[in-house]
Amino acid sequence: SAVISQKPSRDICQRGTSLTIQCQVDSQVTMMFWYRQQPGQSLTLIATANQGSEATYESGFVIDKFPISRPNLTFSTLTVSNMSPEDSSIYLCSVVDRGDYEQYFGPGTRLTVT
Amino acid sequence: KQEVTQIPAALSVPEGENLVLNCSFTDSAIYNLQWFRQDPGKGLTSLLLIQSSQREQTSGRLNASLDKSSGRSTLYIAASQPGDSATYLCAVRRSGTASKLTFGTGTRLQVTL
Repeated sequence: SAVISQKPSRDICQRGTSLTIQCQVDSQVTMMFWYRQQPGQSLTLIATANQGSEATYESGFVIDKFPISRPNLTFSTLTVSNMSPEDSSIYLCSVVDRGDYEQYFGPGTRLTVT
Repeated sequence: KQEVTQIPAALSVPEGENLVLNCSFTDSAIYNLQWFRQDPGKGLTSLLLIQSSQREQTSGRLNASLDKSSGRSTLYIAASQPGDSATYLCAVRRSGTASKLTFGTGTRLQVTL
């Protein structure tokens, strides 16, 4: 199994600012995913981050709002730009084991935008 | 488009009871199905993974079954404990090695003393 850490664990930010969330995995992985979970909702995939290529965004999510970096096989960042209260969510980093395709999640970053 | 539904949305049981959580999906062409646990404000913990060729998986007091042809999975929790209180999510991965997980809406479980 993969062990995933995220920083920060939570933050309170002002409207119009940006926050960068870091995701570190204890092993090399090809694909990393970023999810958002709005209050009381299930998970929504934001994008898939592959090392060495541009991230692939899901419908409704754009690179200008959620830029992603993937500099190596164990690390990724997600930036939430120009935040509004609607961005208040838990943001989760995730990886998949290419052996049996079991997916693992980080502890999440709880973001509140005021 | 795959849709995943979980019933019930919420469940409260007294400690010691056995219980069943249900998950149904509309497209039976799945690669695997995964059950997760989520504590409030936290990330997801993988509980059980069932490959499409399997009928069930067990881990401790948990047993998950899969009936791919009918688009159903169940998570059985034996002898429930207050520490089992959490939201349980099922997620299916469509056939195809790079496909994404589709999540259900979850069942919020409360086990009371």
